[in-house]
Amino acid sequence: KQEVTQIPAALSVPEGENLVLNCSFTDSAIYNLQWFRQDPGKGLTSLLLIQSSQREQTSGRLNASLDKSSGRSTLYIAASQPGDSATYLCAVRGNFGNEKLTFGTGTRLTIIP
Amino acid sequence: NAGVMQNPRHLVRRRGQEARLRCSPMKGHSHVYWYRQLPEEGLKFMVYLQKENIIDESGMPKERFSAEFPKEGPSILRIQQVVRGDSAAYFCASSLNKNTEAFFGQGTRLTVV
Repeated sequence: KQEVTQIPAALSVPEGENLVLNCSFTDSAIYNLQWFRQDPGKGLTSLLLIQSSQREQTSGRLNASLDKSSGRSTLYIAASQPGDSATYLCAVRGNFGNEKLTFGTGTRLTIIP
Repeated sequence: NAGVMQNPRHLVRRRGQEARLRCSPMKGHSHVYWYRQLPEEGLKFMVYLQKENIIDESGMPKERFSAEFPKEGPSILRIQQVVRGDSAAYFCASSLNKNTEAFFGQGTRLTVV
């Protein structure tokens, strides 16, 4: 059974700093990994998708890496802004008949102006 | 191209009534996933459907819950004889196929009184 863990559960950093969010998963048999953000009371917004054959993906100030063999992914946010405050979720999609997305419990990020 | 549309956004039901939650996937997407999120908790997988077929329902409670995704029309998550413990946010996601990016709707917040 796939288990996804995100550490830390909460993080507060001053505006302008670079930061890294961590995600680990137990079963490396995955199709891909996806990072989302969720604002309070809202749905999930897709940030980045990394296929299992890829090592990283970049979108603007965001960079996500994937090390499938060790079961780890990181989300790097450069030059953080108050608008980045949200809960960040990673989810892995299994393969071979287990194609659902399994989510971590998220990291609640607060950027201090 | 509209995103994933869920309705209603908010639903109040008395104990014992039925709740019907609707999800229209993004245009061209034939894979739909339902998740439940309790306050301050992560997203829990419920069911994965492809047009007219249930692919994985391992997260669905054995009783009172059912889901369908007909050939025409939205996917429906149906909860019969609701109880207070069913109060949660229910999210729907869709993807083009089983290994592409998943997009989420804004959710339906069910309150059972």
